[in-house]
Amino acid sequence: QSVLTQPPSVSGAPGQRVTISCTGSSSNIGAGYDVHWYQQLPGTAPKLLIYGNSNRPSGVPDRFSGSKSGTSASLAITGLQAEDEADYYCQSYDSSLSGPEVFGGGTKLTVL
Amino acid sequence: QLQLQESGPGLVKPSETLSLTCTVSGGSISSSSYYWGWIRQPPGKGLEWIGSIYYSGSTYYNPSLKSRVTISVDTSKNQFSLKLSSVTAADTAVYYCARLPLRIAVAGLFFDYWGQGTLVTVSS
Repeated sequence: QSVLTQPPSVSGAPGQRVTISCTGSSSNIGAGYDVHWYQQLPGTAPKLLIYGNSNRPSGVPDRFSGSKSGTSASLAITGLQAEDEADYYCQSYDSSLSGPEVFGGGTKLTVL
Repeated sequence: QLQLQESGPGLVKPSETLSLTCTVSGGSISSSSYYWGWIRQPPGKGLEWIGSIYYSGSTYYNPSLKSRVTISVDTSKNQFSLKLSSVTAADTAVYYCARLPLRIAVAGLFFDYWGQGTLVTVSS
């Protein structure tokens, strides 16, 4: 069981907008700690997509955006493209015995 | 461009110690601006943070692995290492090393550069 909960899978057609949720608790996201997102293409290492809830590293398209509210965070992808098909993970800080660096279980994005 | 490269045996016997090294190139592991960490991913499963180290040798570990994990740093070689003792089949995974930028007055770090990963299989 991951400390951060993500849906196992989401899907969307090319050009559409999809969102991936990351639900935490009062010991992590709800305590105000930042959420970060990673994209893992098949057979490759994870790549930082969003840091500090909503910041994009250089080179990440603005089709990817992040937000946080309460005990949850979301990753939104607009103008879905075939190359966006990947696993996505959220990560945060946890002040309980589970932490401090904790990941969500991951979400598989399928582009239909 | 910063690069991280994991190295070590791909096969470890049960009850033995898994040892991996991460070599950093294109940047100094002695920078005061970063932590360095290990993350693993069992086949077909999600990511699990193992532990992190500062160039000074200060470490913090995943509580669920703490009793079996040792992370060390060798600044002269620009490397840091992972040792995981008493391994079982459950420790079979791709092991990644990564960099964590320090954040002033903000708790919670993230991993901005990752190695390509190395598969370690625990089997007799």
